[in-house]
Amino acid sequence: AQSVTQLDSHVSVSEGTPVLLRCNYSSSYSPSLFWYVQHPNKGLQLLLKYTSAATLVKGINGFEAEFKKSETSFHLTKPSAHMSDAAEYFCVVTPSGGSYIPTFGRGTSLIVHP
Amino acid sequence: EAGVTQFPSHSVIEKGQTVTLRCDPISGHDNLYWYRRVMGKEIKFLLHFVKESKQDESGMPNNRFLAERTGGTYSTLKVQPAELEDSGVYFCASSQGSGAAFLNEQFFGPGTRLTVL
Repeated sequence: AQSVTQLDSHVSVSEGTPVLLRCNYSSSYSPSLFWYVQHPNKGLQLLLKYTSAATLVKGINGFEAEFKKSETSFHLTKPSAHMSDAAEYFCVVTPSGGSYIPTFGRGTSLIVHP
Repeated sequence: EAGVTQFPSHSVIEKGQTVTLRCDPISGHDNLYWYRRVMGKEIKFLLHFVKESKQDESGMPNNRFLAERTGGTYSTLKVQPAELEDSGVYFCASSQGSGAAFLNEQFFGPGTRLTVL
């Protein structure tokens, strides 16, 4: 069994300040982990993924995430928020065995103030 | 290159009616997925096609839902008859690759928002 918890439904930051979107997971298998972003009226877009290589993963648009097995976390960060980062972000867990079916978190809406 | 497209973008129907959603994946992508997000909840997997074959349909809620992918190109998802609890946003995604396809990047369409009154 697997589950994903995105700890915040909404995160509000000012432009130019750091972003932290939190994700905790549980998985019976060694997981692969993803962050997707959805801008209004668009499809989800892959930001980055972890598949058992380096624990610090760099993605597009300056985002990165660190896989911490001991804490079962995969938090998404960005040093400096931009107005265009305002969107909904989804943490996704896929087991590396079994059915491979992904489990999505409920999403975190990032609000960026000027 | 065109992305994943879905039609219609919105659909409002009455309980008991039939609705058909369409998804056109990225050309050349063998894998096609359907997902659903009920308001306020997480996105959930419905089924996975590899070309024209259903690889996994374990997420389909019940037999009122029928998905097809004739010729391994576009896919349709029919709901017949629709019930109130079927309301939500239906996403389609596609990806390349074989084997553990879910480990590859998926490209999502913008979704179809279905409202059942």
